[in-house]
Amino acid sequence: KAGVTQTPRYLIKTRGQQVTLSCSPISGHRSVSWYQQTPGQGLQFLFEYFSETQRNKGNFPGRFSGRQFSNSRSEMNVSTLELGDSALYLCASSSDRGHEQFFGPGTRLTVL
Amino acid sequence: LAKTTQPISMDSYEGQEVNITCSHNNIATNDYITWYQQFPSQGPRFIIQGYKTKVTNEVASLFIPADRKSSTLSLPRVSLSDTAVYYCLVGASMDSNYQLIWGAGTKLIIKP
Repeated sequence: KAGVTQTPRYLIKTRGQQVTLSCSPISGHRSVSWYQQTPGQGLQFLFEYFSETQRNKGNFPGRFSGRQFSNSRSEMNVSTLELGDSALYLCASSSDRGHEQFFGPGTRLTVL
Repeated sequence: LAKTTQPISMDSYEGQEVNITCSHNNIATNDYITWYQQFPSQGPRFIIQGYKTKVTNEVASLFIPADRKSSTLSLPRVSLSDTAVYYCLVGASMDSNYQLIWGAGTKLIIKP
């Protein structure tokens, strides 16, 4: 069974731009969660989608948004990028809430 | 909002048993406790999950006391390849917004 894939793996943007990250979950998994990881803040939960609906949301500003498609693939969008948005963005899929999460390799976003 | 507390770092030697404790005083009745392992530049990887008492799999054991306010991950006979960051995850429910709370992680260094 193929693992979780994330594209792109690396991204460099400038302040004020927007970015879209993509995540393809493991086949059959309907829950996709997004996390931001930085050296200073560790792993922080952004949001979770289940069957195309945002089910849970962390404490991030509205500049961070996401969506999930009918095939469970998910995208995350960050608008008006700030320097502090530089981080590793991780996507994880699971069959449902509370079940084992399988993480992708992450997208390394650098904002200049 | 549930929070978890773990030691920031630990050292041990090959062949030793390592125990990492996580404190989660506000764990909810229906929450599970999950531990993940993360190597540099990779997404976290599931190790073990439990609700109460003791759970054992091929790589680790998880001990949870009756009050469930803490949990201990036990790694038997560690090797150099067990050097990684270990995260304690507790599902926290607050009203209708179910949030996943990650600990700061414990950096485990195994020495030869």
